[in-house]
Amino acid sequence: AQKITQTQPGMFVQEKEAVTLDCTYDTSDQSYGLFWYKQPSSGEMIFLIYQGSYDEQNATEGRYSLNFQKARKSANLVISASQLGDSAMYFCAMRSFSGGYNKLIFGAGTRLAVHP
Amino acid sequence: GAGVSQSPSNKVTEKGKDVELRCDPISGHTALYWYRQSLGQGLEFLIYFQGNSAPDKSGLPSDRFSAERTGGSVSTLTIQRTQQEDSAVYLCASSLDGEQFFGPGTRLTVL
Repeated sequence: AQKITQTQPGMFVQEKEAVTLDCTYDTSDQSYGLFWYKQPSSGEMIFLIYQGSYDEQNATEGRYSLNFQKARKSANLVISASQLGDSAMYFCAMRSFSGGYNKLIFGAGTRLAVHP
Repeated sequence: GAGVSQSPSNKVTEKGKDVELRCDPISGHTALYWYRQSLGQGLEFLIYFQGNSAPDKSGLPSDRFSAERTGGSVSTLTIQRTQQEDSAVYLCASSLDGEQFFGPGTRLTVL
């Protein structure tokens, strides 16, 4: 069975510091994709970053980077130079490209609070 | 540009009534997804449409839930005989070949 685990229900970080949000996944598929989404209090889901299981390099998008450790089945999100606007819920998700799965499996989320 | 839109943004209904939630995907996106997000929880997959293929209904929690996608575009999620546990935000997403773009959601409250 496929599963995403986010063990940090809440995280605090000081503005301008870096923070790592943990995500581990469980799958028996060889080909899969990992996503991070941000959900501010307004409720919209904002795509942040994507990592394919065969990508050799860690994905980066501006201040966001994904620390992909395939052997450990972890895909942690690193936010550098935190900003007050980064305060939101963050969801890790996985999509499989085999076995007929077409849906995203989401973790329970981590609420990030950035303090001035 | 036009993103995924959903209507209504909020819906309050009485227990036992039927409700219809609408999703307009991004034009040209062949895949459409419905998710449910209960208060303080992650997203729960409900149903997935891909082109003209039969939808993946594996996430629908009961036979009170159904969805249609007409003309490969607009989708309607119908909940019959609503129950209080159906109260949640219902999110729609569309994609072309990978990244899913989400709508703002419909907040359903069943009294």
